[in-house]
Amino acid sequence: GENVEQHPSTLSVQEGDSAVIKCTYSDSASNYFPWYKQELGKGPQLIIDIRSNVGEKKDQRIAVTLNKTAKHFSLHITETQPEDSAVYFCAADNYGQNFVFGPGTRLSVLP
Amino acid sequence: DAGVIQSPRHEVTEMGQEVTLRCKPISGHNSLFWYRQTMMRGLELLIYFNNNVPIDDSGMPEDRFSAKMPNASFSTLKIQPSEPRDSAVYFCASSLRDGGPQHFGDGTRLSIL
Repeated sequence: GENVEQHPSTLSVQEGDSAVIKCTYSDSASNYFPWYKQELGKGPQLIIDIRSNVGEKKDQRIAVTLNKTAKHFSLHITETQPEDSAVYFCAADNYGQNFVFGPGTRLSVLP
Repeated sequence: DAGVIQSPRHEVTEMGQEVTLRCKPISGHNSLFWYRQTMMRGLELLIYFNNNVPIDDSGMPEDRFSAKMPNASFSTLKIQPSEPRDSAVYFCASSLRDGGPQHFGDGTRLSIL
């Protein structure tokens, strides 16, 4: 089955700096890679996703890159703000047949 | 635009009692997922339904857990009998189609004493 690893487990950055979170997956059949943000007491919320036919996707301060050959994908947050502080999860999926989350990264943006 | 609605938000009960968690997916979504989140194991998929039919229940921990989806707008996750190790946050999510983005509810925090 699919296995998703995520690094780092915790990340602290200064406000305004960039943050990068990296994930690797094991199942080459995976073709959908979403990223979720979870705030305290809330469920995970989708912030960006990418499919295997695309190498990069950007939405304002957030971007995701995918390297299918190496089976890894990354989340990039630029110009970080205190409200970006949360736990971020990556996930990998194969048409809903094998949806697996990474273990999460706790991001702290220091003012 | 209502999202996924879960109830109750918090549940505290004694070991051995039956617990029922409820979920109303987003209208029009045809896939529904139940997850459990703990510090030790992270987010685990317990079961998912497509068009009200259970497709994969391999994540259900044991026979004490059962899930139903009697119609497109309602699902339950039941634990009977409950044990302290079942304490966790349980999330329900729905998606428009297989392989699409999942939308999560705010979860039920379950504490078994």
